[in-house]
Amino acid sequence: SQQGEEDPQALSIQEGENATMNCSYKTSINNLQWYRQNSGRGLVHLILIRSNEREKHSGRLRVTLDTSKKSSSLLITASRAADTASYFCATDSGNTPLVFGKGTRLSVIA
Amino acid sequence: DAGITQSPRYKITETGRQVTLMCHQTWSHSYMFWYRQDLGHGLRLIYYSAAADITDKGEVSDGYVVSRSKTENFPLTLESATRSQTSVYFCASSESGSSYEQYFGPGTRLTVT
Repeated sequence: SQQGEEDPQALSIQEGENATMNCSYKTSINNLQWYRQNSGRGLVHLILIRSNEREKHSGRLRVTLDTSKKSSSLLITASRAADTASYFCATDSGNTPLVFGKGTRLSVIA
Repeated sequence: DAGITQSPRYKITETGRQVTLMCHQTWSHSYMFWYRQDLGHGLRLIYYSAAADITDKGEVSDGYVVSRSKTENFPLTLESATRSQTSVYFCASSESGSSYEQYFGPGTRLTVT
């Protein structure tokens, strides 16, 4: 059972542009996490946002959470070729383990 | 080296064979997880463990067995491998439950012929 669904499935942008990925989910959550996966590697945690938070920043990353719409967005500003990866959201509903979405594949073209 | 490791990194086996994938973490994290990743399905939870000798099924546990006799190790066994179990398997650990970030291993690519 997939809780988070990322949108778009794939995104291609030029270096220097901003990239925005969205995650929608179905049930109430305690927190939502974003992960990055480079090709052939394991996932790496990027940021965690709790249900009582609306926005969080980490370097060039900005995450927003709208619990009324059951959605989150991940913004990467001034993208670089090294940002090319798949990005996953994962939701914590409290009584079950994290549930991951299917991911957004981001390609940043130099 | 500190961190989370998986072995083997690549494995080819035949249908019906038993295969064990190993996972080892050096952080003494309480929780450990096994996922499989397939195109079109994202990451799906197979089994997880909250502590030594405590394991629970995930979304896709049929055909898999786990054990956790020591905190640092969490092996995953395919008792009788099937072609549908061809996948990339990831092990992860976390300090506590789902409210904490997970640290992933590099993955094991398993092919069942």
